[in-house]
Amino acid sequence: DAGVIQSPRHEVTEMGQEVTLRCKPISGHNSLFWYRQTMMRGLELLIYFNNNVPIDDSGMPEDRFSAKMPNASFSTLKIQPSEPRDSAVYFCASTIGGEGYTFGSGTRLTVV
Amino acid sequence: SQQGEEDPQALSIQEGENATMNCSYKTSINNLQWYRQNSGRGLVHLILIRSNEREKHSGRLRVTLDTSKKSSSLLITASRAADTASYFCATDNFGNEKLTFGTGTRLTIIP
Repeated sequence: DAGVIQSPRHEVTEMGQEVTLRCKPISGHNSLFWYRQTMMRGLELLIYFNNNVPIDDSGMPEDRFSAKMPNASFSTLKIQPSEPRDSAVYFCASTIGGEGYTFGSGTRLTVV
Repeated sequence: SQQGEEDPQALSIQEGENATMNCSYKTSINNLQWYRQNSGRGLVHLILIRSNEREKHSGRLRVTLDTSKKSSSLLITASRAADTASYFCATDNFGNEKLTFGTGTRLTIIP
């Protein structure tokens, strides 16, 4: 398995633009998580899905953020409109059976 | 919010020495996990210890858990330059796979 695959690896966008981050979890994993990492706030859980259903989105900072998981092999995190304070590294992770997460390589987002 | 606090925030040791990192948490847990993050990369799962376990080993890693003190430690023996990374503890508080990560310890191994 190629692991958790995220795209793009880097994204630079102008304030106000829409940004879509993508994630392909490991085949067979039934839980998927989106985290954001910044120097100031560390790793923050944004939302997680179980069997494609959003279970907890309490970490989503604002209505500008939305996430979907249309099937077991794909998830998106969308920011619209983007703001400079959204600049961070966004990680996707998947797991099954609570035996530890497998993280993707992350998307480094810069909003200018 | 951060559940775990790692201590120290940064640690530099000579290659071959042992490295010990500590993690304290605030509420009861189902399990506690340790992860490593190399610069610019995603986190890698190292080891998981359940609330009813006190010690666990994996290769050069030794993890202890003291639920009465709400603390855990990660020991890396015979450190290598490749162990240079940030190390995070993470707690599963409700057995629902949702992890809350600590602030991390940045470990530097000096060749």
